[in-house]
Amino acid sequence: EVQLVESGGGLVQPGGSLRVSCAASGFTFSIYWMSWVRQAPGKGLEWVANIKQDGSEKYYVDSVKGRFTVSRDNAKNSLYLQMNSLTAEDTAVYYCASLYFHSFDYWGQGTLVTVSS
Amino acid sequence: QSALTQPPSASGSPGQSVTISCTGTSSDVAGYNYVSWYQQHPGKAPKLMIYEVSKRPSGVPDRFSGSKSANTASLTVSGLQAEDEADYYCSSYAGNKEVFGGGTKLTVL
Repeated sequence: EVQLVESGGGLVQPGGSLRVSCAASGFTFSIYWMSWVRQAPGKGLEWVANIKQDGSEKYYVDSVKGRFTVSRDNAKNSLYLQMNSLTAEDTAVYYCASLYFHSFDYWGQGTLVTVSS
Repeated sequence: QSALTQPPSASGSPGQSVTISCTGTSSDVAGYNYVSWYQQHPGKAPKLMIYEVSKRPSGVPDRFSGSKSANTASLTVSGLQAEDEADYYCSSYAGNKEVFGGGTKLTVL
């Protein structure tokens, strides 16, 4: 059974940093592109970042470029999102998802990141 | 403002069919056959319902179908059931990025 389990969310002050993680199991993590998608409270879905199987290619939505960094550790079947210079607009549930031909085929349950003083 | 345009709401009675549209541009929907659709129930993670415009993942009922014409993609739900009531989102590849629609709340009357 495919499982994606996010962790690391929480309350952080504006301007602060946070790293969220995603532990994958039940599939061959290393052969998949992976993604982060977020959803602000009561709002729609927003793609955040993609990372290639070996980490050699990374793409970001414009609003997080220069602030967020996606990475992965295939030996640990894990995906990460380092978030710096956080603002209130980054408050959202962050989902990790596997990417199959530009569709998000498996999703985690999400982890809530709240940016507030 | 979302990159793809969806109607905020749609509705239908049990057994009826409903179609949700997703309008983009030549840079996304019209430019690639990588449109997908997601169903999201309140408090739950999204679920992939359609990928590559019209393909259904294993386990998704054939009541769900997808199509595309020019810059507009569509999701049709036939034989509406109570459990189909949810939010639906489209997404498209847009050249080194993915874009979502704003979502459509489907109500089963």
